[in-house]
Amino acid sequence: GDSVTQMEGPVTLSEEAFLTINCTYTATGYPSLFWYVQYPGEGLQLLLKATKADDKGSNKGFEATYRKETTSFHLEKGSVQVSDSAVYFCALRSDYKLSFGAGTTVTVRA
Amino acid sequence: DGGITQSPKYLFRKEGQNVTLSCEQNLNHDAMYWYRQDPGQGLRLIYYSQIVNDFQKGDIAEGYSVSREKKESFPLTVTSAQKNPTAFYLCASIGNSMTSGGYTFGSGTRLTVV
Repeated sequence: GDSVTQMEGPVTLSEEAFLTINCTYTATGYPSLFWYVQYPGEGLQLLLKATKADDKGSNKGFEATYRKETTSFHLEKGSVQVSDSAVYFCALRSDYKLSFGAGTTVTVRA
Repeated sequence: DGGITQSPKYLFRKEGQNVTLSCEQNLNHDAMYWYRQDPGQGLRLIYYSQIVNDFQKGDIAEGYSVSREKKESFPLTVTSAQKNPTAFYLCASIGNSMTSGGYTFGSGTRLTVV
């Protein structure tokens, strides 16, 4: 079945560092892809999405490009802030359901 | 604004009690989901419902029950048969398969057994 494999954490960075979180997927067809962010004690919020190959989703300085040839959707941010400390989940949509990666905990130190 | 409301935010349960977590959405979404999240862990699917009066078990349905009598509401009951219910519970919904959007999540309910 459809699945998502996400880079394991935790990841610890200094402010203004470059962040990459790898995400690859296995799916039939061409699913929509998502990144969600979860701050402590809260639900998940949609960070960005891409619905077809070569689409680039972007939001709050984060970017991810839908790469069909490598079945990947890596999340990147050029200069992280302390406020970016959170858990990040990669996900794909199949029909009505989303399949999630295990989540990557990111801590940004001042 | 449209969204999903989960209540209560914190819930305490005594051993042997059933408790019900509320989830209401005003997004006119067809499908709704319940996930469990343990500390430092990912999401595990408990139950989901694609239409009113119908629902399916997810990966960890044992000890839980749900109902879907209205499109807007999908309450989750944690029964006394659930041996380790302390966790963070998340409700989500999604539009129909003709859309490309993802889930909208509620803010979660943290359940603690005392």
